[in-house]
Amino acid sequence: KQEVTQIPAALSVPEGENLVLNCSFTDSAIYNLQWFRQDPGKGLTSLLLIQSSQREQTSGRLNASLDKSSGRSTLYIAASQPGDSATYLCAVNWRTYGGSQGNLIFGKGTKLSVKP
Amino acid sequence: DARVTQTPRHKVTEMGQEVTMRCQPILGHNTVFWYRQTMMQGLELLAYFRNRAPLDDSGMPKDRFSAEMPDATLATLKIQPSEPRDSAVYFCASGGGGGNQPQHFGDGTRLSIL
Repeated sequence: KQEVTQIPAALSVPEGENLVLNCSFTDSAIYNLQWFRQDPGKGLTSLLLIQSSQREQTSGRLNASLDKSSGRSTLYIAASQPGDSATYLCAVNWRTYGGSQGNLIFGKGTKLSVKP
Repeated sequence: DARVTQTPRHKVTEMGQEVTMRCQPILGHNTVFWYRQTMMQGLELLAYFRNRAPLDDSGMPKDRFSAEMPDATLATLKIQPSEPRDSAVYFCASGGGGGNQPQHFGDGTRLSIL
């Protein structure tokens, strides 16, 4: 069964700290992996998408890495700020015959709190 | 910025009533997804369209849920009759052509069935 797991479910850090959020997935035959941010009462904002052929993607203070062989991805946030407080979700689009499955399978997210 | 637009944002209704949720995908996007989010289950796929054709609706209870795309600018999700267990946030997402385009989400419809 294709599953995505995110640990821990919640994380609290002081402002300025560098931090890593973890995502693991069963079945290494992925098409791509996407990291999202969700603020309370809001939809999901796409942060980074890593294709299966890539090892990492960067956007500003965010860096996402992908290791298919071990079934893991990490989201690194540098110099965290209170405005980074949100739930971060990892989602996998698996391969299927002829291309990508299309839909995303989500982890349950890590709720991040950055304290001033 | 182009956005996925969902209406209504909130809906409270009584058990047994019909509920219709609407989604306007980003212009030019050819894939549309309906997801449901609950505390217990997280985000789950309900239905998925490509070029307005349904590709996967295996996540949807067929006896009460239906999803359609009457045209390229409108996707609908209907529940009839609604039940309290349908209470959740329903998200619509759209994506461009090619599997390596990110999905863009609307702000969701928060549904409460009393």
